[in-house]
Amino acid sequence: DTAVSQTPKYLVTQMGNDKSIKCEQNLGHDTMYWYKQDSKKFLKIMFSYNNKELIINETVPNRFSPKSPDKAHLNLHINSLELGDSAVYFCASSQDSSYNSPLHFGNGTRLTVT
Amino acid sequence: GNSVTQMEGPVTLSEEAFLTINCTYTATGYPSLFWYVQYPGEGLQLLLKATKADDKGSNKGFEATYRKETTSFHLEKGSVQVSDSAVYFCALSGESGSEKLVFGKGTKLTVNP
Repeated sequence: DTAVSQTPKYLVTQMGNDKSIKCEQNLGHDTMYWYKQDSKKFLKIMFSYNNKELIINETVPNRFSPKSPDKAHLNLHINSLELGDSAVYFCASSQDSSYNSPLHFGNGTRLTVT
Repeated sequence: GNSVTQMEGPVTLSEEAFLTINCTYTATGYPSLFWYVQYPGEGLQLLLKATKADDKGSNKGFEATYRKETTSFHLEKGSVQVSDSAVYFCALSGESGSEKLVFGKGTKLTVNP
């Protein structure tokens, strides 16, 4: 009965490869997010979708492409992985996109690029 | 733009000690303020929130009061437990719906028995 689940939990891959991270929420929320947490625990938003529509697209390389097939899913595809992409990626959801709607986070995907 | 500054960690306390983690913010208008907690190996969880000035958010013995005059939202707990060991993040969300949630850099708390 996990609320926000993302897979895989760990991802180790080589530079230049393409990989995807999947996220699903069963809370019935309208809005989903991808955040990147660096080695110093700093969290930065990457993307946000509301009802499958992109509403936030921060300054992220074009190699990162989110896809939302329905409002319960938000996947993240990364092309041509680089060493600097190593981080923990968190998926999150909220009831809606209003500013006081709290976020529910998944447990993260630790990506290591070698 | 909006920003959050929270005290640098790590913070190490003995069980039953009093905890304060300072958080100040910069924002236009009237943002909502949050504290999130991240236990080892897990995602962030909402700990408490306050949506307008002078509101006090509270949960699990933690409290924080939205102070507009000092632009602060300090987290306090009167008596910490070993199980409170985690990283704590202060965050704000802008007044308009298009403004994203902005997080502080996190403060790691370790509580020793």
